Amino acid sequence: GAVVSQHPSRVICKSGTSVKIECRSLDFQATTMFWYRQFPKQSLMLMATSNEGSKATYEQGVEKDKFLINHASLTLSTLTVTSAHPEDSSFYICSARDGTLTGELFFGEGSRLTVL
Amino acid sequence: EDKVVQSPLSLVVHEGDTVTLNCSYEVTNFRSLLWYKQEKKAPTFLFMLTSSGIEKKSGRLSSILDKKELFSILNITATQTGDSAVYLCAVAPPSGFGNEKLTFGTGTRLTIIP
Repeated sequence: GAVVSQHPSRVICKSGTSVKIECRSLDFQATTMFWYRQFPKQSLMLMATSNEGSKATYEQGVEKDKFLINHASLTLSTLTVTSAHPEDSSFYICSARDGTLTGELFFGEGSRLTVL
Repeated sequence: EDKVVQSPLSLVVHEGDTVTLNCSYEVTNFRSLLWYKQEKKAPTFLFMLTSSGIEKKSGRLSSILDKKELFSILNITATQTGDSAVYLCAVAPPSGFGNEKLTFGTGTRLTIIP
């Protein structure tokens, strides 16, 4: 089946620094990728829809300048958490759908961000 | 606002028991309902349901959708410790192909005691 790779799986950074998380579709092209955030013992909350070659669509309440999304190619989307603060500590997951498979969404392994 | 509610929030049973997880939804537009299993990291796909009354099965897992009552259940029979996970229900709208946004439920945390 389709594979989505996410990197890094875990990152610890100091408050005020920026962190970039990559999401790659390994064996298919993804014109659309999704970024989610998950707090402990809570469900996945969609942050934004990343569209190849155009601006991301952010969900209500998600700061665009805080969470920069770039989808420069059909196989790569990046999420940059700018000027990270401890409250940004969370589990971030990306997902993508192979255009030939209706309905099935493939998830990356997730990235656990800890901001000290 | 679209809403997906799962119950119970958590469930602890003994190995060998049968469990039923519930998912109800209120959405503006509906195309399909999906079930995922999330262990430590990323969710893995279990089922996609689009039609009412048609049961989907995969081994000890089965699921069915009731579009009239806006409800789905996920059954797991003869549970094993490996079934311990968070089970997520999500609803997909009929928007443009490939960029549908899923609305996830709160999840049910299932713990199987040996």
